[in-house]
Amino acid sequence: ELKVEQNPLFLSMQEGKNYTIYCNYSTTSDRLYWYRQDPGKSLESLFVLLSNGAVKQEGRLMASLDTKARLSTLHITAAVHDLSATYFCAVDASPGGSNYKLTFGKGTLLTVNP
Amino acid sequence: NAGVTQTPKFRILKIGQSMTLQCTQDMNHNYMYWYRQDPGMGLKLIYYSVGAGITDKGEVPNGYNVSRSTTEDFPLRLELAAPSQTSVYFCASGRPSGYTFGSGTRLTVV
Repeated sequence: ELKVEQNPLFLSMQEGKNYTIYCNYSTTSDRLYWYRQDPGKSLESLFVLLSNGAVKQEGRLMASLDTKARLSTLHITAAVHDLSATYFCAVDASPGGSNYKLTFGKGTLLTVNP
Repeated sequence: NAGVTQTPKFRILKIGQSMTLQCTQDMNHNYMYWYRQDPGMGLKLIYYSVGAGITDKGEVPNGYNVSRSTTEDFPLRLELAAPSQTSVYFCASGRPSGYTFGSGTRLTVV
């Protein structure tokens, strides 16, 4: 059974600081997704990482994937209040690669304080 | 382009009642999914479909049923609602290059 672990689960940081959220998973996969969720809202796709070594950046967020270590990171640079949200990673480890389905981590609740 | 549309947005059910959560997508995706989200637990897969007429169980299928008669629609049926089914339900569709989620249905069973 695929397990996806995020840490930390809660992160309180000051504006202007840098931090990294980690996503570890338990079985081979080269398909990993990051989502953002604001309170009471749906999930917004941030990054789709589909190969080992993939790195993507959007604004103050950068995501990377190391399939050998079964690890993805979401790095936050110079945090601003607008980044406050819950961030989820999700992994697709479907055997044979045909029945695509995502297993989610529990999410990281990020609060950026002025 | 509406994406993934879910109805209703909110619903209160009494224990033992039944209901159907509707999900429609206009992106011609073969893959569709139903997840439930409980506080602090992430999203758990209930059922999924790889195309019209094909469905399969996810991690937490008990108490739910689905059908997929068309590419666009993937309704989720709750039979004999229980308090444990109080949750937020998300429908999604897509492919490995990316998935789109609906706005969610907040269901309370009392």
